[in-house]
Amino acid sequence: GEQVEQLPSILRVQEGSSASINCSYEDSASNYFPWYKQEPGENPKLIIDIRSNMERKQIQELIVLLDKKAKRFSLHITDTQPGDSAMYFCAASEGGSAKLIFGEGTKLTVSS
Amino acid sequence: EAAVTQSPRNKVTVTGGNVTLSCRQTNSHNYMYWYRQDTGHGLRLIHYSYGAGNLQIGDVPDGYKATRTTQEDFFLLLELASPSQTSLYFCASKTGGSYEQYFGPGTRLTVL
Repeated sequence: GEQVEQLPSILRVQEGSSASINCSYEDSASNYFPWYKQEPGENPKLIIDIRSNMERKQIQELIVLLDKKAKRFSLHITDTQPGDSAMYFCAASEGGSAKLIFGEGTKLTVSS
Repeated sequence: EAAVTQSPRNKVTVTGGNVTLSCRQTNSHNYMYWYRQDTGHGLRLIHYSYGAGNLQIGDVPDGYKATRTTQEDFFLLLELASPSQTSLYFCASKTGGSYEQYFGPGTRLTVL
């Protein structure tokens, strides 16, 4: 079935630098791409999303880019802070259904 | 923010045991989902539902049954629990007109 590949699985950055997470998907009918942040012991929470009619979206320090031709999308966190340390999951909607297919996650650690 | 509750929050059972995990949302959402989360696999969809009485098979359904008794309540049933079903289980819900899924707090299940 549909898969979403997410890389890297582990990411360590210095406070104030940028962090980038990349995802790729298979289904050309996918039209919705959310990013979830999960802190230890907590549930995943939506932080930003992008639909297929857009190429770029920014909310404060979060930037999402979508390349539909290449079937890739990415999350960029600028000016990282220790509070950004968490697991991050990308997902893609499965065309024609109400399902989301999740990537395997990236553990981001921001050190001060 | 949409409210999704799960019970129990923690459960320990033995191999062959019978377990029911409960999920309730009070936001009149049509769609409800059951996921399991395991290290290295992200979130994997077990079953989901469009509404009361409806059930759709997810991506990892083996060993699980589910039932949607009302608009609010979605249950996951493990009739013969196995150690491979030790995991963190999340319920989620969403409206029909939105892509965003809201997650419950999770249930940690241990099968000895």
